[in-house]
Amino acid sequence: GAGVSQSPSNKVTEKGKDVELRCDPISGHTALYWYRQSLGQGLEFLIYFQGNSAPDKSGLPSDRFSAERTGGSVSTLTIQRTQQEDSAVYLCASSEGRGYSGNTIYFGEGSWLTVV
Amino acid sequence: AQTVTQSQPEMSVQEAETVTLSCTYDTSESNYYLFWYKQPPSRQMILVIRQEAYKQQNATENRFSVNFQKAAKSFSLKISDSQLGDTAMYFCAFIPFESGNTPLVFGKGTRLSVIA
Repeated sequence: GAGVSQSPSNKVTEKGKDVELRCDPISGHTALYWYRQSLGQGLEFLIYFQGNSAPDKSGLPSDRFSAERTGGSVSTLTIQRTQQEDSAVYLCASSEGRGYSGNTIYFGEGSWLTVV
Repeated sequence: AQTVTQSQPEMSVQEAETVTLSCTYDTSESNYYLFWYKQPPSRQMILVIRQEAYKQQNATENRFSVNFQKAAKSFSLKISDSQLGDTAMYFCAFIPFESGNTPLVFGKGTRLSVIA
């Protein structure tokens, strides 16, 4: 596609339920990032995938959060047993990769998660 | 670890006037990229301008320009002839040229309001 695509754009879920958020990066981009943005706050790094390397999971806030990337393309962020503090916009971004090519990171429009 | 600091949580400017948003960063890297992203109420993160650390010339994109002071680790954004559509959150971000799995590091953002 032309840009980074995320779905759903909005999700309301009950506390304790599991949710899955999907990200379809720009075709050919090897790097994929997930960030979380709470209301009126900055961006909190969650996880980073680069090609076939092991992902950098250092930003995941708890073991309820996990992410996978299948076939080096689409990624799914899963939040188990959701809590109210998980309510936020979850932003996905992708880039061509790392190194001297001057990569710019492109963002999707985000998935707005509300836990009630 | 790299950090990015935006010391102005909120700013306002009259339409057609000029405003400067501040950003400082801390890194031991010698080669890196700096970015300014804009996030309007629509949530879409939009790249405003990019600066390569090895370039001494300040980047310019139409009404947007930066003042990059590498020794001082400062990267401010100047918006000239401010327009109502410039109202948004502005995030400064940093990424090393080439290093392991370091994700894009963001500041906490500056909320800019352009007043008619």
